[in-house]
This record gives sequence, structure tokens and C-alpha cells, in this order.
Amino acid sequence: QLVESGGGVVQPGKSLRLSCETSGFAFSDYPMHWFRQPPGKGLEWVAVISKEGSTTYSSDSMKGRLTISRDNSQSTLFLQMDRLRAEDTALYFCARGGIGGYSSFESPSDHWGQGTLVTVSS
Amino acid sequence: EIVLTQSPATLSVSPGQRATLSCRASQSVGSSLAWYQHKLGQAPRLLIFDASARATGIPARFSGTGSGTEFTLTISGLQSEDFGVYYCQQYKNWPPWTFGQGTKVEIK
Repeated sequence: QLVESGGGVVQPGKSLRLSCETSGFAFSDYPMHWFRQPPGKGLEWVAVISKEGSTTYSSDSMKGRLTISRDNSQSTLFLQMDRLRAEDTALYFCARGGIGGYSSFESPSDHWGQGTLVTVSS
Repeated sequence: EIVLTQSPATLSVSPGQRATLSCRASQSVGSSLAWYQHKLGQAPRLLIFDASARATGIPARFSGTGSGTEFTLTISGLQSEDFGVYYCQQYKNWPPWTFGQGTKVEIK
């Protein structure tokens, strides 16, 4: 199970930290992703972090404005978003990278949360 | 960045009929393509991975074919619970992990 939290309404230029609490699988064995869905639009990848947390990648649209991190002892994923813009308004999902017992960057995501809504508005 | 183009944008299908969804990649992704079903307010659901393998618990009426740049998701004997938006995703060339723009399946 994956449960996102931390969303809300925030003014442009402000920051927000999202969390994704997980259970039911070996969190430290999987890379973890953040995806988002802007209102009325499709799914978009945001960022990924390796199992150990040593490697991260982020989308060009948010590069330099976000930090993805994880606490394997708490089975929790985080997304720190800074200097938020109106175009960052979206439903943000966390998902694990892998299928069943197979985990890799080169894999789809078989388990997702239901998302937390971030609204950037003055 | 690999661009995925899905067609059609919307598909209206009667229960029991077949739905055929297409996904075209701007360059080869081999077989590293997945299909998801997404309903409003729910988590996206992985249906197909590696172009043609069904994910755990996915009914046999969902099938995927293709490789390289052309892929198809077929829903045989559409059921009322199959409405939603379907996305293809490539995981061959990353970052980024990219999605198509989605096909909305409506029950006629």
C-alpha cells in the first residue's frame, strides 16, 4: 500500500513537501517514482530515486526546484518542491519501480498510491 | 526524449465488443512498453508490461501486442467496469519515463 500526503493550496514561489508512506513490501528493495497529473491532462513522470537513495533523476520541468529523498528505515518517500509555479498544480502520485519481485529503473510501476492534490494559486 | 502517440483519443464501445487501442513511439523502445488503466480518484492500474505480459490479476480479455514503435492493447469482450483512460508508457530510454496522452474508453 502507498499513501501520499502533504498536498494542499500554496502560493506561487512557496514550497511544499510531499510524503508517501508505504507498507506491505520491502521498500528498500525498489526504486521509487513520483508522477503527476495536471487537471484535465495525462500522466507525467516527475522524479525517481534508487533503492539506496544514491541516484536520483528529475524531469526537466522541475529540475533544480525539487529534491526526492527516502527513509528506508521508515519505508517512506519524500518530494520537496520549491519555487512552485501555477503549472505545478496537479495530482501527485508515488509508485514503486518494478513488478513483483523484480525492481529496476528499466521497468514499469505495478503499485501506485491514489495521489495527493497540489494547487499552486495566489 | 521518446514521444508516445496514442490513438484514438476517445473510443465508445458497446459491452461485449472489442476495443483496440494504439500506441506509437517516436523511436524504438523494443518491448519495454506498459499499459495502464486509470479511473478518476483511483490509483493507476498496471495491465500489461513488456508489451504483451499481463500483470498479476489482470483478466485474460486484456492483451498487448507489438514491438519497436507500434503497439496495440486489445480489450476483448468489453465489460462495463473497463471504462477509464488508458495510457501507454515506455521504460526503455530514461530519463524521462514517458507516457502517451491517453485514450478514453467510454461504454456505449
